[in-house]
Amino acid sequence: DTEVTQTPKHLVMGMTNKKSLKCEQHMGHRAMYWYKQKAKKPPELMFVYSYEKLSINESVPSRFSPECPNSSLLNLHLHALQPEDSALYLCASSPSPGNMGKLFFGSGTQLSVL
Amino acid sequence: KNEVEQSPQNLTAQEGEFITINCSYSVGISALHWLQQHPGGGIVSLFMLSSGKKKHGRLIATINIQEKHSSLHITASHPRDSAVYICAVMNYGGSQGNLIFGKGTKLSVKP
Repeated sequence: DTEVTQTPKHLVMGMTNKKSLKCEQHMGHRAMYWYKQKAKKPPELMFVYSYEKLSINESVPSRFSPECPNSSLLNLHLHALQPEDSALYLCASSPSPGNMGKLFFGSGTQLSVL
Repeated sequence: KNEVEQSPQNLTAQEGEFITINCSYSVGISALHWLQQHPGGGIVSLFMLSSGKKKHGRLIATINIQEKHSSLHITASHPRDSAVYICAVMNYGGSQGNLIFGKGTKLSVKP
């Protein structure tokens, strides 16, 4: 299984809602990443989890809350988002933080905040 | 000036044509990735290069570390190759996962 699975594929939420994005991989990768991508722009790194611990937070607002319950699963909890947070959210994984040679991306969650 | 520059920004080709996409970078790197992104979708990692040349099917990627330049070639292009191709570099000493992305090359292959 060489996939990173993201759910849901599409999400529409109001500014007062709480929702979660899910990312799963079963390749034994120990580094997992959240990226945000606005239309026609390159992805921007949000968070890096290394061996289930948060190792990098790229100054992301607290309305985005990541969680890594186990080595296969990565969540992104969303609360009180703003319309400008509408974007494609991509999850990725690699064997380890220092080894991005095998880098796998999920198909993303297209998020719309109304 | 962006640290990773791709050219061309947009490329239209006829089916069967040989295609070249270029990537130049200005920072020291430990690796360079070529990525493919279809409309509305996720990203597929095509190659990771730190030197030389790699080939996978109809795709060939080369890198010249001294010239800080990489190329992605597609032979016998097909409409299903239509996508955005992104060059991304791992800055030597940069933070983990923080690839520096080019702005992408949008390729359209006409039948």
